[in-house]
Amino acid sequence: DTGVSQDPRHKITKRGQNVTFRCDPISEHNRLYWYRQTLGQGPEFLTYFQNEAQLEKSRLLSDRFSAERPKGSFSTLEIQRTEQGDSAMYLCASSTPPGTLNTGELFFGEGSRLTVL
Amino acid sequence: QKEVEQDPGPLSVPEGAIVSLNCTYSNSAFQYFMWYRQYSRKGPELLMYTYSSGNKEDGRFTAQVDKSSKYISLFIRDSQPSDSATYLCAMSVGGSYIPTFGRGTSLIVHP
Repeated sequence: DTGVSQDPRHKITKRGQNVTFRCDPISEHNRLYWYRQTLGQGPEFLTYFQNEAQLEKSRLLSDRFSAERPKGSFSTLEIQRTEQGDSAMYLCASSTPPGTLNTGELFFGEGSRLTVL
Repeated sequence: QKEVEQDPGPLSVPEGAIVSLNCTYSNSAFQYFMWYRQYSRKGPELLMYTYSSGNKEDGRFTAQVDKSSKYISLFIRDSQPSDSATYLCAMSVGGSYIPTFGRGTSLIVHP
């Protein structure tokens, strides 16, 4: 399978617990993105990496959220002290940088659904 | 006001109809315009990509961008039940190429 892989697909947790999601991008892609999507809404940008460098973070990414991509391959998104408002689908995507021969298309995984009780 | 506005629908059409989906936006710096399709419980997948103003056609799909009106459209000809999905418009500025998405329009094509 050469697509973007996310794990776990669904996580149910109690308020106040920490959760971690993992994303494995397409192997030749050096850009990796995290988005959050709630029911009836489009994906909202959280952060992105080029190789291991985290280049941009949204103001949506509170200090309870942290993302890493230690070796420029897989990435993790950790949410500390979860709140009910964190319940959402967390989408990971990867791409190559846009250039003359490609659009920089984002390839999305199937998402990790978080339910905070 | 959100940067990208999109009517959530649902839009229900009979098989074979021509479908028109639209988005408006407020950020004049947007240069790259995309349409993604998202099936239930799946990640979005890119359908169409357009740089700046103009039309682009790919099979049954046509994307239009009017930068002067800050308005983009996606037309689907000869719609099929398999086209039933949520259609997300997205756009980005040059440099970051990070897409900003609309909320999506739910399309239902009934046989």
